[in-house]
Amino acid sequence: RKEVEQDPGPFNVPEGATVAFNCTYSNSASQSFFWYRQDCRKEPKLLMSVYSSGNEDGRFTAQLNRASQYISLLIRDSKLSDSATYLCVVSLKAGFQKLVFGTGTRLLVSP
Amino acid sequence: EAGVVQSPRYKIIEKKQPVAFWCNPISGHNTLYWYLQNLGQGPELLIRYENEEAVDDSQLPKDRFSAERLKGVDSTLKIQPAELGDSAVYLCASSSGQGYTDTQYFGPGTRLTVL
Repeated sequence: RKEVEQDPGPFNVPEGATVAFNCTYSNSASQSFFWYRQDCRKEPKLLMSVYSSGNEDGRFTAQLNRASQYISLLIRDSKLSDSATYLCVVSLKAGFQKLVFGTGTRLLVSP
Repeated sequence: EAGVVQSPRYKIIEKKQPVAFWCNPISGHNTLYWYLQNLGQGPELLIRYENEEAVDDSQLPKDRFSAERLKGVDSTLKIQPAELGDSAVYLCASSSGQGYTDTQYFGPGTRLTVL
């Protein structure tokens, strides 16, 4: 079983749609959680950290459910520029030291 | 602020040849990482340095891969000899290594093709 599992997609949505990605992780000792965004043939970039209380950054909302070992990312009012691969990332340590990446979920937003 | 610099951006070699990748982290970042990313997969950690010390190299295939960060700044990752299965993107990342909210920043990567 992979440490971090994601649906690879692609998710095809029209502009303005709301889309949600889910991710599960296997190690209950995981301490830190993140979503990274990776554009085609580019490097991954941190989108947002994920906290147990849930957190929001503009159109993006991330949620963490430690009991179910489940992380989600919600994107509201999708833009064409949101088209990318979204990587679910987990760390066994507090902070960014030992990141384990999921395979990523590909999002395609169409006009 | 300059980001993580990697070179070359692309490399094509024949199998059994050696190859080396170079990384210069963000100025002042003590922690440096090398990752391997295969097509359709997320990055996988190869090695992590704290200054010049390799503190996590458990995922580095030591029979053919080596890395160094002699002065605790830039780093080189080497493969000798390269195999067909080594074709991938090699990403370097750095972080300040301080604090819970310390962020890893990635370089653009080196895309290796082994023929």
